[in-house]
Amino acid sequence: GAVVSQHPSRVICKSGTSVKIECRSLDFQATTMFWYRQFPKQSLMLMATSNEGSKATYEQGVEKDKFLINHASLTLSTLTVTSAHPEDSSFYICSAQTGDYYGYTFGSGTRLTVV
Amino acid sequence: GNSVTQMEGPVTLSEEAFLTINCTYTATGYPSLFWYVQYPGEGLQLLLKATKADDKGSNKGFEATYRKETTSFHLEKGSVQVSDSAVYFCALSDHGGYQKVTFGTGTKLQVIP
Repeated sequence: GAVVSQHPSRVICKSGTSVKIECRSLDFQATTMFWYRQFPKQSLMLMATSNEGSKATYEQGVEKDKFLINHASLTLSTLTVTSAHPEDSSFYICSAQTGDYYGYTFGSGTRLTVV
Repeated sequence: GNSVTQMEGPVTLSEEAFLTINCTYTATGYPSLFWYVQYPGEGLQLLLKATKADDKGSNKGFEATYRKETTSFHLEKGSVQVSDSAVYFCALSDHGGYQKVTFGTGTKLQVIP
């Protein structure tokens, strides 16, 4: 079946540094990938939709300059949290469309802690 | 806007007990409804879906019926197993699967032997 690999699973970084999270589709091509953020005891909130070869579409309220998304190939999308602060600490998860009408495959998520 | 409300966990059950996780939704039009499951250390997996009123989605012994009159999509299983321990997310999308998915907060289920 379709597999999405997300790395790293956990990362701790210092305030002010940048962190890159990778999301790879291992056995299929993903023209569209999605990035979500989940706060404790809250829903997964869609941050942005990433389309291969074009600029990402951000949801209202998401800072484009803080959360940089790059989807340079059909199998890789990256989310870079720039100048991270403690309030950016969260669980980030990506998903990719597999081509089926209801096909979304999710990565295993990244727990980011900014200290 | 769209929203999904599901019961807060954690839910702790003994093996072979009956499971219900409540889910209600608010949406314009006629959304598609989903249940996703996240096992420890893994990504979300689609468990079942229903695309129109009165549809029943089922998979691995789990069932959920799309109830338009009560705007609900409760998840049920007649006899849970330890291996069912996971976090369960109710979700909806407008006008088919390629649209934005709105998730509930997730309900953690722990099944004890």
